[in-house]
Amino acid sequence: DAGVTQSPTHLIKTRGQQVTLRCSPKSGHDTVSWYQQALGQGPQFIFQYYEEEERQRGNFPDRFSGHQFPNYSSELNVNALLLGDSALYLCASSLGQGWNQPQHFGDGTRLSIL
Amino acid sequence: SQELEQSPQSLIVQEGKNLTINCTSSKTLYGLYWYKQKYGEGLIFLMMLQKGGEEKSHEKITAKLDEKKQQSSLHITASQPSHAGIYLCGADVYSGGGADGLTFGKGTHLIIQP
Repeated sequence: DAGVTQSPTHLIKTRGQQVTLRCSPKSGHDTVSWYQQALGQGPQFIFQYYEEEERQRGNFPDRFSGHQFPNYSSELNVNALLLGDSALYLCASSLGQGWNQPQHFGDGTRLSIL
Repeated sequence: SQELEQSPQSLIVQEGKNLTINCTSSKTLYGLYWYKQKYGEGLIFLMMLQKGGEEKSHEKITAKLDEKKQQSSLHITASQPSHAGIYLCGADVYSGGGADGLTFGKGTHLIIQP
């Protein structure tokens, strides 16, 4: 039973570039949420996707966008990268939208901006 | 302002001792999660509490939710080296205008001394 998988594990970009991160949910899950975790901080909610639509969004600029595919996998896109975007990006999957089901996390993608 | 406050920020305990980590919310809790994270890795789901007064246990870890006080506690009995890591509380916190997504505390760093 595969858990949540994320790719790539590490990524280095320069300011102004664009990046795409990928997430495959745990088997049986249909909802994907994305989080940004800066060093020494708790994860910050970016957005949640359910039925291929963005259902909820945290306090992140429009440079952060996403997509969910029919197989429930998801992508996080960040445009015009800033130094402050350096962080661990975590994907979590669950069954059904909202927050009354356990969120299962992947190991994250470490993004470094030079 | 931080909506979820965890205390202590860090904790060093001798192997075999008991310990407690607290999580306090400035807003109404509609569900609380406890996770464990190893440095730079993903979050491991421990427990989810949804009802006031609810208490759950798994192996040597017990979590309680006191909805009236907007607090939760995580208690570890007879700590072991495998308990070392960062413990994060996450909650479904409403701001009145709708769901804000899952909000996390900054984490408690637990070190177990042999």
